[in-house]
Amino acid sequence: DVVMTQSPFSLPVTLGQPASISCRSSQSLVYGDGKTYLTWFQQRPGQSPRRLIYKVSIRDSGVPDRFSGSGSGTDFTLEISRVEAEDVGIYYCMQTTHWPYTFGQGTKLEIK
Amino acid sequence: QVQLVQSGAEVKKPGASVKVSCKASGYTFANYDVNWVRQAPGQGLEWLGWMNSHSGKTGYAHQFQGRVTITSNTSITTTYMELSSLTSEDTAVYYCARGHAFDIWGQGTKLTVSS
Repeated sequence: DVVMTQSPFSLPVTLGQPASISCRSSQSLVYGDGKTYLTWFQQRPGQSPRRLIYKVSIRDSGVPDRFSGSGSGTDFTLEISRVEAEDVGIYYCMQTTHWPYTFGQGTKLEIK
Repeated sequence: QVQLVQSGAEVKKPGASVKVSCKASGYTFANYDVNWVRQAPGQGLEWLGWMNSHSGKTGYAHQFQGRVTITSNTSITTTYMELSSLTSEDTAVYYCARGHAFDIWGQGTKLTVSS
């Protein structure tokens, strides 16, 4: 199975400051069609996960443009340009290139 | 609007089975797969399996093979996830999510397994 490794585990950030989360896969996530199926989710306390970004860098409708995704192959990053209070929660990366689908262990973002 | 609505919380004894439903609305059911994901208390997300809503084909994560069954009733646009031989380690919130893209999620169904 593809192992997804996120870092850091915990991310304390000052309001208005940037934040960055790394996600590394144990195999390349480039599928046979040339696309990379790496997705980022946000899970606020007590809520279902919400998709933020798919195929590495495509932001979902309604997701603030302070969120951005980048990367290729086995190395990916989620960046928040200026953290706001509503960004508190746990962030997960997930790959759906290889069977079975696998998630990273999550990164907990909190406000300092 | 597009949504997935799941059945309510369940409490089961060890050794029992549970069947959770996920009703889709606001889109063409057959056009999207349905996935099942769970989250144990204080833990991360774990993918259980998937069903192609058009063909009925299914696939399951290795650790759940033989214990999980995903089915659907297309006439009522509902997908079901049945988990058998429950233990306390199956205590979790179970989610359904739409498609290969996981773009829409259900509200979650809390399962408690306790004697």
